[in-house]
Amino acid sequence: DGGITQSPKYLFRKEGQNVTLSCEQNLNHDAMYWYRQDPGQGLRLIYYSQIVNDFQKGDIAEGYSVSREKKESFPLTVTSAQKNPTAFYLCASSTRTGNNEQFFGPGTRLTVL
Amino acid sequence: QKEVEQNSGPLSVPEGAIASLNCTYSDRGSQSFFWYRQYSGKSPELIMSIYSNGDKEDGRFTAQLNKASQYVSLLIRDSQPSDSATYLCAVSPSGSARQLTFGSGTQLTVLP
Repeated sequence: DGGITQSPKYLFRKEGQNVTLSCEQNLNHDAMYWYRQDPGQGLRLIYYSQIVNDFQKGDIAEGYSVSREKKESFPLTVTSAQKNPTAFYLCASSTRTGNNEQFFGPGTRLTVL
Repeated sequence: QKEVEQNSGPLSVPEGAIASLNCTYSDRGSQSFFWYRQYSGKSPELIMSIYSNGDKEDGRFTAQLNKASQYVSLLIRDSQPSDSATYLCAVSPSGSARQLTFGSGTQLTVLP
């Protein structure tokens, strides 16, 4: 089955630690995205990548880093510089052409202890 | 700042009624418009896309777009308790290629 997987589903982090969230897709999509969702709010774009080895900052990139070494994978690192990292993190993908329909993975819920 | 605005709700409708969800956007050059459904604790699911003025129907769902008024809506006919969720409006602004801007969502409850 084609789709997007994210791991882990739940993640607990101590203050001062870096953590990496995994996102893998087998939809053959070129573009991938990371969003953050806080309770009662919409999605805010952290980073996006339209092709391998290239990515751009979104609206709230501070305290986060990404890499795009493979078309299928777009991991997100939440660094200790992110002051309020507790949130629901969502990865999405889309084709590079067409109408920009984005499809989401199941998400990772990160809690800072 | 390109914005997408939705009534946060909550919106409650009785089972079998029509639910009407509304969204306005600030970027007049926006080209693509989407509705996502998000159940509590889950990720958003794309349910409707619309790109030109007018209505687009898919089963019990109808999306309506009016670019002159910068307004997009979602109608859910014969609402069911399983439609209870948060509905997110997303817009692909002009000049941003592949980015989407999301509204904060409208929480819908369908009462049995």
